[in-house]
Amino acid sequence: EADIYQTPRYLVIGTGKKITLECSQTMGHDKMYWYQQDPGMELHLIHYSYGVNSTEKGDLSSESTVSRIRTEHFPLTLESARPSHTSQYLCASTGNGNQPQHFGDGTRLSIL
Amino acid sequence: QKEVEQNSGPLSVPEGAIASLNCTYSDRVSQSFFWYRQYSGKSPELIMSIYSNGDKEDGRFTAQLNKASQYVSLLIRDSQPSDSATYLCAVSGSSNTGKLIFGQGTTLQVKP
Repeated sequence: EADIYQTPRYLVIGTGKKITLECSQTMGHDKMYWYQQDPGMELHLIHYSYGVNSTEKGDLSSESTVSRIRTEHFPLTLESARPSHTSQYLCASTGNGNQPQHFGDGTRLSIL
Repeated sequence: QKEVEQNSGPLSVPEGAIASLNCTYSDRVSQSFFWYRQYSGKSPELIMSIYSNGDKEDGRFTAQLNKASQYVSLLIRDSQPSDSATYLCAVSGSSNTGKLIFGQGTTLQVKP
């Protein structure tokens, strides 16, 4: 069983607020990922990291930012939330080699 | 043409039947192939990994890989209503990034 945790699970917040979505894993994985997924739609990679101090933008442009100061922690931040940011955000991690990605439970974000 | 293609469905099968889910991919150097199950509102859950040509069986699930045809499939035997979900095919990229390319998913409905 993969140990990857996301908090909060649900967040309803007003426009203009700064938001940080937390993602932590206890498996020592170097590679971590953030996806955005709207209901019934495809997964879109928005950020990834190969290790500490490494962050890259994904295939879908996003106004969010990420940081990787510790191996186990990969938070995502929105400086000023807008209704267009309403979505589900999924965090995943993987080890070396051709291993699969393991997902957290996700954060369902709703911006009013 | 998408890099990983799946029929979005819905694929409807009666309880107890075999469900066959298909996926094609465009990058010939892909090394790793995964099937994820995603229930509505939940995060993707890994159900099968396959790395070499042929069949791989795990309980009621069989993954089939044909690299020459760039084709991977998932068979679900004795389908149950609890198998009703969206099934995502994921293919590793050609670089050693751990990044996965996801298909749009096939929705499976198992009718009692």
